[in-house]
Amino acid sequence: AQSVTQPDIHITVSEGASLELRCNYSYGATPYLFWYVQSPGQGLQLLLKYFSGDTLVQGIKGFEAEFKRSQSSFNLRKPSVHWSDAAEYFCAVGALTGGGNKLTFGTGTQLKVEL
Amino acid sequence: SQTIHQWPATLVQPVGSPLSLECTVEGTSNPNLYWYRQAAGRGLQLLFYSVGIGQISSEVPQNLSASRPQDRQFILSSKKLLLSDSGFYLCAWSVHRGFDTEAFFGQGTRLTVV
Repeated sequence: AQSVTQPDIHITVSEGASLELRCNYSYGATPYLFWYVQSPGQGLQLLLKYFSGDTLVQGIKGFEAEFKRSQSSFNLRKPSVHWSDAAEYFCAVGALTGGGNKLTFGTGTQLKVEL
Repeated sequence: SQTIHQWPATLVQPVGSPLSLECTVEGTSNPNLYWYRQAAGRGLQLLFYSVGIGQISSEVPQNLSASRPQDRQFILSSKKLLLSDSGFYLCAWSVHRGFDTEAFFGQGTRLTVV
């Protein structure tokens, strides 16, 4: 069965600083990988996804992530964080099952941005 | 464009009472539908998914059930709520082809069982 580990529960960065959120996955085949962001009390919004091809993927809001098969990682990065980026971030791996793409999520990383 | 509606946004229910949360999708047909539960510090757990009308798969044994009476309607139910059913419930959909596709989430329902 697939699994996702987000080792950092909380991260605090200063506005304007760079950001990297870690994600490691376990999956027996080629993974479909996602990063979602959740604002308090809200649903999840997709930031970016990786299915195949270029291992560096660009997403919305200036985020990018790099797939590294050798490290089973899919870390999320942003060169300069804005105060509005404060939210919870979830990494997920998708697996096909009975025609559906079932997502397994990590436990999330809460990002705090200091002004 | 496609939209997903989930209601109610918040709900406070006594232990032992029934539950019905509804989710509908617009702008697409034959979607895959999902119910997730989010508990603090535990990420999102997939509860049920459905690939068609009347087709429900349960991921974890629990006090809840799901039904899909129409193509774009997904209902989460319980006959008798437990305190442990409290949490944030999210409905999601994805296109039916199943791969190279992401899930789109509703705004969630905050359920508090008292």
